[in-house]
Amino acid sequence: AQSVTQLDSQVPVFEEAPVELRCNYSSSVSVYLFWYVQYPNQGLQLLLKYLSGSTLVKGINGFEAEFNKSQTSFHLRKPSVHISDTAEYFCAVTHGTNAGKSTFGDGTTLTVKP
Amino acid sequence: DTAVSQTPKYLVTQMGNDKSIKCEQNLGHDTMYWYKQDSKKFLKIMFSYNNKELIINETVPNRFSPKSPDKAHLNLHINSLELGDSAVYFCASSQDSAGPYNEQFFGPGTRLTVL
Repeated sequence: AQSVTQLDSQVPVFEEAPVELRCNYSSSVSVYLFWYVQYPNQGLQLLLKYLSGSTLVKGINGFEAEFNKSQTSFHLRKPSVHISDTAEYFCAVTHGTNAGKSTFGDGTTLTVKP
Repeated sequence: DTAVSQTPKYLVTQMGNDKSIKCEQNLGHDTMYWYKQDSKKFLKIMFSYNNKELIINETVPNRFSPKSPDKAHLNLHINSLELGDSAVYFCASSQDSAGPYNEQFFGPGTRLTVL
């Protein structure tokens, strides 16, 4: 069975500060990892994904994440946040054989303050 | 061009009523999903269909019944609505049901309020 833990339910930061949203997963097989963002009153959209290859993945809006197999983590980072980054962020994991079931974390609310 | 669309966007109804939510995707994807998001933003998968066949049926009351008339459509019918059904329901689709092609595209959501 796979599971995802987002370690922080809420992360308040000031504008232009760096931010890290933490995600740990557990799975007994190779995984594929995703970060989604949900802006207020909207559906989720993909920020970035790790499928294979380089462990540092770059996504939209200046976000990046690093896959760390030994620590089973996939933390999301941005060096300088904007007010417009205020949103809910979800980490998700899937693998090759568990058909139809991505497992989503409980979400992290990022609030960027002026 | 809207990739995944849902109707209606808002649905307000009385307890005990029956309602449906429709979902359509124009991405040519094989897999479609229904998720429920509660007031705390927790996202819970309800159903998943691959090529019109049900592949995921989580612990969801029998009052919820999905129907997939074709690969591009997945509808959700809810009987005898209860207060606890109030939530935002998201439809999503992906190219395939597992592995690297499982990137999901979400619709805008349907906010259901049961009075």
